[in-house]
Amino acid sequence: DVKVTQSSRYLVKRTGEKVFLECVQDMDHENMFWYRQDPGLGLRLIYFSYDVKMKEKGDIPEGYSVSREKKERFSLILESASTNQTSMYLCASSSPGQNNEQFFGPGTRLTVL
Amino acid sequence: SQKIEQNSEALNIQEGKTATLTCNYTNYSPAYLQWYRQDPGRGPVFLLLIRENEKEKRKERLKVTFDTTLKQSLFHITASQPADSATYLCALDEDTGGFKTIFGAGTRLFVKA
Repeated sequence: DVKVTQSSRYLVKRTGEKVFLECVQDMDHENMFWYRQDPGLGLRLIYFSYDVKMKEKGDIPEGYSVSREKKERFSLILESASTNQTSMYLCASSSPGQNNEQFFGPGTRLTVL
Repeated sequence: SQKIEQNSEALNIQEGKTATLTCNYTNYSPAYLQWYRQDPGRGPVFLLLIRENEKEKRKERLKVTFDTTLKQSLFHITASQPADSATYLCALDEDTGGFKTIFGAGTRLFVKA
């Protein structure tokens, strides 16, 4: 069974802390994505990567950075967490030619106090 | 500005009836449109993709239509069951590489037994 896993389901951090969210996929997918999901706003793309060490900004990259050192792993970093980054974070992966279907992880609910 | 709109009000229907969900968009020229299902506390799961040159797509009890003139997609679930209760997201992409998929906020469906 194909899988996208995220390092934590729930996370509570304090303002100003550096936060790492990890995502791993076992499908050998080229593309990986980080979204945040807020009520009434849908999923908003933060960053995506189409290959190892490659990254592209999405619609809301401010306050975030990413790292893709290995094909299966895509990390989202909040350099200095703020309360407005409290959200559900979803990682996804996809492969060209497979209907561009995105496979999502279970999500990490991050609360910044 | 570009917008995807799904009915923010929840849809309540009786078991056995057909559920119809709407996705409207403005200022996009999508190459394709996707529908996803999301259960509470979980990541979205891909259901169907319909391309710009297709009018209708079916999969078991699901049917999707795509009208590029009206800029609208309709998602139907026939013979609905309580297990169909979930949030349904539409997503579209102007880039056939699947790098910039835009998601709607979703419509919550409740199917009563």
